[in-house]
Amino acid sequence: DAGVIQSPRHEVTEMGQEVTLRCKPISGHDYLFWYRQTMMRGLELLIYFNNNVPIDDSGMPEDRFSAKMPNASFSTLKIQPSEPRDSAVYFCASSPTSGRALSTDTQYFGPGTRLTVL
Amino acid sequence: RKEVEQDPGPFNVPEGATVAFNCTYSNSASQSFFWYRQDCRKEPKLLMSVYSSGNEDGRFTAQLNRASQYISLLIRDSKLSDSATYLCVVNLGSTGRRALTFGSGTRLQVQP
Repeated sequence: DAGVIQSPRHEVTEMGQEVTLRCKPISGHDYLFWYRQTMMRGLELLIYFNNNVPIDDSGMPEDRFSAKMPNASFSTLKIQPSEPRDSAVYFCASSPTSGRALSTDTQYFGPGTRLTVL
Repeated sequence: RKEVEQDPGPFNVPEGATVAFNCTYSNSASQSFFWYRQDCRKEPKLLMSVYSSGNEDGRFTAQLNRASQYISLLIRDSKLSDSATYLCVVNLGSTGRRALTFGSGTRLQVQP
């Protein structure tokens, strides 16, 4: 089975540019999560969706960040305009509703997008 | 106080050693607990869930102490391949809320 797919794997951009990160969750998973990881702050939850609906976006740092999930197999995280402090690894994770996982809270992570804003 | 707190380490141990990590969490109503493993420049991967009665998976044993609000992970007979960062993960919220809170991780380096 394919795991969580993220693209691009690496992104280098200049301050002020728009950045779009993409995620395809594991098929059949109803929950999708976006995280950011930095050395200083560790792994932080930005937003999560259930059945394509945003449930909790309290971790989104500011209005420059937005996330969408137009269908069950695709989500985007957009940063506009980007700033050097946005440099981090952005992970997408997905989770099933019930049944197959050891625990319904178990999350499966994608390989991440390493973002560098110059 | 952090919501999920771990000793960052690093723990440097020889092959074959037994090593234990602890983690404390802030919300006594927390329902779900996990240990994830993260290799350098890779994504976190589930190592094991932590059940109230404690659970074991090969060389790994996880324990939960609800009264003291801490979780532990014991690794026996350490291998070089166990070198990684171990993340303590808790669902701090109420039933139905799916957000997980990750500790900052404990780094383990197993040496030959």
